[in-house]
Amino acid sequence: GENVEQHPSTLSVQEGDSAVIKCTYSDSASNYFPWYKQELGKRPQLIIDIRSNVGEKKDQRIAVTLNKTAKHFSLHITETQPEDSAVYFCAAKYNFNKFYFGSGTKLNVKP
Amino acid sequence: EADIYQTPRYLVIGTGKKITLECSQTMGHDKMYWYQQDPGMELHLIHYSYGVNSTEKGDLSSESTVSRIRTEHFPLTLESARPSHTSQYLCASSEGPTQGGVNYGYTFGSGTRLTVV
Repeated sequence: GENVEQHPSTLSVQEGDSAVIKCTYSDSASNYFPWYKQELGKRPQLIIDIRSNVGEKKDQRIAVTLNKTAKHFSLHITETQPEDSAVYFCAAKYNFNKFYFGSGTKLNVKP
Repeated sequence: EADIYQTPRYLVIGTGKKITLECSQTMGHDKMYWYQQDPGMELHLIHYSYGVNSTEKGDLSSESTVSRIRTEHFPLTLESARPSHTSQYLCASSEGPTQGGVNYGYTFGSGTRLTVV
């Protein structure tokens, strides 16, 4: 089956700095990669996704890049704000809309 | 509002009791999933369904069972709760991939936080 590794497990940045979270996947057939943000006590929410036919996608302060050859994808958050503090999960689609999730990155943005 | 709903939000129950966690979605999604998650930790797939009368076990072994008699409803049942079942249970649904091969992510419910004492 698919294996998704996510790093780092915790990340602390100063407000205004950038944050980068990286994930690697094992199944070369995976073709869809969503990212979820989970605030404390709340449900995971889809924040951005990327399909395998593009290398980069941007939505305001967040962007995702995909390197299919190396089988890794990354989440980039620029100009971080305290409300960006949350746990972020990457995921890779495997086998007809079943997803494998990374282990999560706890992002702390210090004001 | 189209969404996915889980009840109860919190449940504290004694060992040996039978419990059913409810999950319903009003988005018309065929695919539904149950994940187990300790707060802020990794998500583990325990059950999934691709449609009515379709249920499969996930990657994390679980003593729970599920049923899918109606598209919108995907309840999870524990016949005899134990303290090791204490966790958060998240239900999710998705559409896609479409016939054109377009994929979509999950919509998660708010979760049920289960404590077995």
